[in-house]
Amino acid sequence: GAVVSQHPSWVICKSGTSVKIECRSLDFQATTMFWYRQFPKQSLMLMATSNEGSKATYEQGVEKDKFLINHASLTLSTLTVTSAHPEDSSFYICSAFGYGTSGRASRDTQYFGPGTRLTVL
Amino acid sequence: GENVEQHPSTLSVQEGDSAVIKCTYSDSASNYFPWYKQELGKRPQLIIDIRSNVGEKKDQRIAVTLNKTAKHFSLHITETQPEDSAVYFCAASLTGNQFYFGTGTSLTVIP
Repeated sequence: GAVVSQHPSWVICKSGTSVKIECRSLDFQATTMFWYRQFPKQSLMLMATSNEGSKATYEQGVEKDKFLINHASLTLSTLTVTSAHPEDSSFYICSAFGYGTSGRASRDTQYFGPGTRLTVL
Repeated sequence: GENVEQHPSTLSVQEGDSAVIKCTYSDSASNYFPWYKQELGKRPQLIIDIRSNVGEKKDQRIAVTLNKTAKHFSLHITETQPEDSAVYFCAASLTGNQFYFGTGTSLTVIP
């Protein structure tokens, strides 16, 4: 399957600072990426859908000014948590579907990154 | 929008027994149903998927069935092994669009 990476894997920051998380598709072009948030022992909650070259679509209840998403290229999307607070502490996971190196389109399957654990003190 | 329900939330089975996890969905337009396995602190991994034009799909010890009329689909794991212990998520989607995930099932296989 396609490979998606995330960086950093774990970050601890002070309250009020901003944190940027990168999501990269390593062997395919990701026209669409998704950002999820996951609390312990809970399901994945979709935060936003990121399309290359256009503005992200945020889910209801997700503050777009707090969670800034940029999808500047077909292999990179970034999520910036601005002025982070302890309640923003969570596991953030990105996913992507796009076209594989074989040229075969895969508009069904989402490939997930390894996740980023954010702890805000 | 789509609403996916998943049962049970926790499931314990003896090694070698079968495990069944069930999901229902609400939007009849959904046409793609993947199942993911997530180990603690790791990314969800696709284990099997099924499209709406198929009623059943099998891959070794794992099978998925889909009943479009009733809008439910199930994951079947046979001959369970301790390494099958994880959280399993079902999802429903319309091709090219967002996934709607179930709430997850924590499976424990007892040696």
